Amino acid sequence: AQTVTQSQPEMSVQEAETVTLSCTYDTSESNYYLFWYKQPPSRQMILVIRQEAYKQQNATENRFSVNFQKAAKSFSLKISDSQLGDTAMYFCAFMSPFTGANSKLTFGKGITLSVRP
Amino acid sequence: GAGVSQSPSNKVTEKGKDVELRCDPISGHTALYWYRQSLGQGLEFLIYFQGNSAPDKSGLPSDRFSAERTGGSVSTLTIQRTQQEDSAVYLCASSPQGAGTEAFFGQGTRLTVV
Repeated sequence: AQTVTQSQPEMSVQEAETVTLSCTYDTSESNYYLFWYKQPPSRQMILVIRQEAYKQQNATENRFSVNFQKAAKSFSLKISDSQLGDTAMYFCAFMSPFTGANSKLTFGKGITLSVRP
Repeated sequence: GAGVSQSPSNKVTEKGKDVELRCDPISGHTALYWYRQSLGQGLEFLIYFQGNSAPDKSGLPSDRFSAERTGGSVSTLTIQRTQQEDSAVYLCASSPQGAGTEAFFGQGTRLTVV
């Protein structure tokens, strides 16, 4: 079974600075998908960024980028120029490439990020 | 609708009562997930439906929990004989296919068992 580990429960960053959120996972599969989701106080889960394991290039979405290290099974999220609206809980998630019942999303425990003004 | 809709948004129930939580996924999405999130905690997987495949029920915590998905669309999560430890936010998500596609979440149902 796949597992996703987010070992940092909380982090804090000054507005406009850069912060990196860590995530590691365990799988025996060679191809899979990784995601970072954001959950602000409103409770609405929003996709931040998505990475396909067979793509070596790290995904980027505006101020958000990932450092995907497949051999190390590491998938960290970098937030540049942090904004107050980035304050939220962030979840790392894993999905296998298969359809059918094996395709469920497995989440880490999440990290609470606070952006200080 | 434009997104995943869950109802009710909040539910307070007495210990021992049964509750039903509803999820309306995005039209055309074949995959549907239920998760439970306790206060300030991560997402605990409950059950996953994908098309006509047998659902993955491996996350259901006890036989008091059950879920169904009728006609490949609306899903209902039922909790029988609720206990105080069932208090949590129950999140539903759907995705177009499952494998590798983005899951879109509803805003959840906050269940409080008193």
